[in-house]
Amino acid sequence: AQKVTQAQTEISVVEKEDVTLDCVYETRDTTYYLFWYKQPPSGELVFLIRRNSFDEQNEISGRYSWNFQKSTSSFNFTITASQVVDSAVYFCALSLIQGAQKLVFGQGTRLTINP
Amino acid sequence: DARVTQTPRHKVTEMGQEVTMRCQPILGHNTVFWYRQTMMQGLELLAYFRNRAPLDDSGMPKDRFSAEMPDATLATLKIQPSEPRDSAVYFCASAAGNMNTEAFFGQGTRLTVV
Repeated sequence: AQKVTQAQTEISVVEKEDVTLDCVYETRDTTYYLFWYKQPPSGELVFLIRRNSFDEQNEISGRYSWNFQKSTSSFNFTITASQVVDSAVYFCALSLIQGAQKLVFGQGTRLTINP
Repeated sequence: DARVTQTPRHKVTEMGQEVTMRCQPILGHNTVFWYRQTMMQGLELLAYFRNRAPLDDSGMPKDRFSAEMPDATLATLKIQPSEPRDSAVYFCASAAGNMNTEAFFGQGTRLTVV
């Protein structure tokens, strides 16, 4: 069975600070995808990124960056120079490459960016 | 702008009533998921379909929940009879059939059973 753990339930920072959201996963499969989704106060789930287990290269997209480390089974998400609009609940998720793309989600981290 | 459409967005119903939630997947997507979000359990998979056939509904209480895809453009999730513990946000998501795409979520149906 797969499991995703987001140990940080809530994080609160002041605008412009950098913040890292932690994600640790468990799976016996060697091929899988990892995801991050954002859930703003409006409630929808917005896809941010997908990485496959073969690709450990870090990725940067604007102020967002992701650090994938298979050795520690972690897929952490960093927001640089945070903004109030980044306030949301962030979910890390995993799906296996073999079979359907059903997602196993972590419990989410509620991020609050204060002005 | 392709998106998953869910109706209704909000539903308040009395215990014992039937509830039907609808989802229109993105055109061309052949995999449809139903997820439920609660404070206690977080996001959990209820069921999913590929090419309209149910592949896994092990996450769904069988006695009161049912999920169907009458056609490729409509997925339904029914609860009969509804109970207060069913109160949650129900999300539908769709994905293309190959392994290289992510799932796109609808805006959810917020269900309150009183």
